[in-house]
Amino acid sequence: SYELTQPPSVSVSPGQTATISCSGDELGSKYVYWYQQKPGQSPMLIIYQNNKWPSGIPERFFGSNSGNTATLTISGAQPLDEADYYCQAWDSSTAFFGSGTKVTVL
Amino acid sequence: QVQLQESGPGLVKPSETLSLTCTLSGDSDDTNYWSWVRQPPGKGLEWIGYLYDTGSTNFNPSLKSRVTMSRGTSNGQSSLTLRSVTAADTAMYYCVRHRTGNGELRYWGQGTLVIVSS
Repeated sequence: SYELTQPPSVSVSPGQTATISCSGDELGSKYVYWYQQKPGQSPMLIIYQNNKWPSGIPERFFGSNSGNTATLTISGAQPLDEADYYCQAWDSSTAFFGSGTKVTVL
Repeated sequence: QVQLQESGPGLVKPSETLSLTCTLSGDSDDTNYWSWVRQPPGKGLEWIGYLYDTGSTNFNPSLKSRVTMSRGTSNGQSSLTLRSVTAADTAMYYCVRHRTGNGELRYWGQGTLVIVSS
């Protein structure tokens, strides 16, 4: 089983930058995906292949991946960015998710 | 626009079988894979497995012994079967459509809550 470790929570002031880490063994050799989930909603893909944006996702969501850690950076955080964020990667043909990070904007 | 709708019983008794269906509508957007992902109340996401449009499957080893996925009665449907359920299988079950077998889980349904209880 492959483990992805995320901090349980991150707090950020409006307009500031939030950083969410995702750690896993040799994660940098894999593609990492990020999903945003707001209360009562389905997860939504916001970053794919480490640093690409699906259509409609603002570029203030930025992804990177190197070594054993992938990072999701939210620049100019807005109240609407309050959500749970999950990283995901594939290992041995199985999809694994991080435990999720709750981002609070206040 | 890819739209997915999960359907099935919201309550299943312990030791029985959970069966869900996912229906695709709208543009398939070159997606060929159906994944199921579940989320226990207040907890994180767990990938259950996927079904490719040809019928081939790939399952999470932790659930493999209890899971079956198959195509539905029409090309736009996929089904999930989970046998011998326990309270630990209580979760929101999401259907996901995606383009490759090791890529992003791109399109998600709204999910359906399944409670395992007698």
